[in-house]
Amino acid sequence: GNSVTQMEGPVTLSEEAFLTINCTYTATGYPSLFWYVQYPGEGLQLLLKATKADDKGSNKGFEATYRKETTSFHLEKGSVQVSDSAVYFCALSGRAQKLVFGQGTRLTINP
Amino acid sequence: DTAVSQTPKYLVTQMGNDKSIKCEQNLGHDTMYWYKQDSKKFLKIMFSYNNKELIINETVPNRFSPKSPDKAHLNLHINSLELGDSAVYFCASSRDPSSYNEQFFGPGTRLTVL
Repeated sequence: GNSVTQMEGPVTLSEEAFLTINCTYTATGYPSLFWYVQYPGEGLQLLLKATKADDKGSNKGFEATYRKETTSFHLEKGSVQVSDSAVYFCALSGRAQKLVFGQGTRLTINP
Repeated sequence: DTAVSQTPKYLVTQMGNDKSIKCEQNLGHDTMYWYKQDSKKFLKIMFSYNNKELIINETVPNRFSPKSPDKAHLNLHINSLELGDSAVYFCASSRDPSSYNEQFFGPGTRLTVL
């Protein structure tokens, strides 16, 4: 079945550092790929998405590119802020029409 | 105006009890979902309804019964609660079941079974 693997957390960085959170997937067909973010005590919010190979999703300075050849959708940001501290989830949605999530990566940014 | 709302936000109850969690969305979406998030933050889908019809039913004990009285509501009833049911339950909705659609999540209901 479909699955998503994210880099293990927690990840701790200083403000203005470069961020990469790795995500790889296994799926049949051509899934859509998503990054969701969960701030403390809240539900998940969509951060960005890509629906076909080579698409780049971007939002709030975050980017991720749908790489079919490496089955990856790594999340990057050039300069993180304290307000980016949250749990980040990579997810895919395929023919079964359900979101399959990675295990989540907790990110803490120190001032 | 909350897009996806859930009640209650917190639920503490004894083993063996029956409880319900309510979910409402005011986005005009056709599709609604229930997810369970365990203590390690792992999220897994439980059910999905489209236009009041069940379309996804994962391997969930039959003590869990979803009910969708209309497109805007999807409630979750849990019978004979067990310790392992303690988790955060999230409701979500999307415009339709298409795989590329964003899902909008509610704030979650933290269930604690004692």
